[in-house]
Amino acid sequence: GENVEQHPSTLSVQEGDSAVIKCTYSDSASNYFPWYKQELGKRPQLIIDIRSNVGEKKDQRIAVTLNKTAKHFSLHITETQPEDSAVYFCAAQTTGTASKLTFGTGTRLQVTL
Amino acid sequence: ETGVTQSPTHLIKTRGQQVTLRCSSQSGHNTVSWYQQALGQGPQFIFQYYREEENGRGNFPPRFSGLQFPNYSSELNVNALELDDSALYLCASSSPRTDQETQYFGPGTRLLVL
Repeated sequence: GENVEQHPSTLSVQEGDSAVIKCTYSDSASNYFPWYKQELGKRPQLIIDIRSNVGEKKDQRIAVTLNKTAKHFSLHITETQPEDSAVYFCAAQTTGTASKLTFGTGTRLQVTL
Repeated sequence: ETGVTQSPTHLIKTRGQQVTLRCSSQSGHNTVSWYQQALGQGPQFIFQYYREEENGRGNFPPRFSGLQFPNYSSELNVNALELDDSALYLCASSSPRTDQETQYFGPGTRLLVL
């Protein structure tokens, strides 16, 4: 089955700096890669996603890149703000029947003033 | 916020008891997936329901079972509760059309087994 590894497990940056979180996946059939942000005690919230026919996607301060050959994808947050502090999860999915999400282990991002 | 709702929000049970958790999917979504999130870990897939049928299952024992109703709402049942079942249980709804399989999560039910 699919296995998703995520690094780093914790990340501390100063406000205004950039943050990068990296994930690798094992199943070449995976074709959809969402990123979720989870604040303490709250639901995972989709912040951006990318499909395998696209190499990069950007939404304001957030961008995701995908390298299908190397089976890795990354989340980039620019101009970080204190409200970006949360746990971020990457996930991989093979769309179609029984399309489950396989999550990484999470990255705790702390943005300090 | 998504349109996915879950009840109850919190629950305390003792070992050996049974529990039923409920999920209402977002309007227009016919697929519900259930995940278990232990403290400090990522969500783990339990199973998925599509059009009232189980449509895939993760590595969870048979004492984890579910239902989906004609209105696409769903239940997760756990029998013979164990201490390790203590976790946040999340449901996510989606619509498995080619480009719209994004899963949107409910707020979760936090289960504590004593």
